Amino acid sequence: KAGVTQTPRYLIKTRGQQVTLSCSPISGHRSVSWYQQTPGQGLQFLFEYFSETQRNKGNFPGRFSGRQFSNSRSEMNVSTLELGDSALYLCASSSIAGQSLHSPLHFGNGTRLTVT
Amino acid sequence: AQKVTQAQTEISVVEKEDVTLDCVYETRDTTYYLFWYKQPPSGELVFLIRRNSFDEQNEISGRYSWNFQKSTSSFNFTITASQVVDSAVYFCALSEARLGNDMRFGAGTRLTVKP
Repeated sequence: KAGVTQTPRYLIKTRGQQVTLSCSPISGHRSVSWYQQTPGQGLQFLFEYFSETQRNKGNFPGRFSGRQFSNSRSEMNVSTLELGDSALYLCASSSIAGQSLHSPLHFGNGTRLTVT
Repeated sequence: AQKVTQAQTEISVVEKEDVTLDCVYETRDTTYYLFWYKQPPSGELVFLIRRNSFDEQNEISGRYSWNFQKSTSSFNFTITASQVVDSAVYFCALSEARLGNDMRFGAGTRLTVKP
């Protein structure tokens, strides 16, 4: 079974630009979550999507948005990039059907975004 | 509020030594889940174990073992007879039942196993 696939692996953007990251979950997984990882703040939850609906959102500004398609693939968008957005963005999928199950998250290799 | 503390930033051991990674958590919920993940240099977080708040039974999986103690809010991870391939950053994480996949991760412990 293929794992979680994130594209691209690396991105370099300049301040003020916008960026879209893509995530393909494990086949059959309907929940997709996004995390930001930085040396200073560690791993922080961005949002979670299930059946094309945002189910949960972390404490990030509105410049960070996402969506999920009917095939469970997800995209994350960051507009008006700032230097502080430089990070490793990790996508994770799980087979969770309801909040109470808390199935383990399966992570992709991440997209490393550098903002200059 | 939920919080996870991994006080050990970096640990260095020599191959075949045993090593314990500490994890202390805070939560007001009675139903929660604890996890350990491993992050090798490739960047991908690899799931190791999940425990729910009602299951305090310790677990052993090969060279890995976990000690969950609600009385001290700790979920420690021990690697027995460490190997060079165990070198990675290890994260402890907490998820409260009401928050879905909003997992709170500790800062991580970087383990280096030297030959």
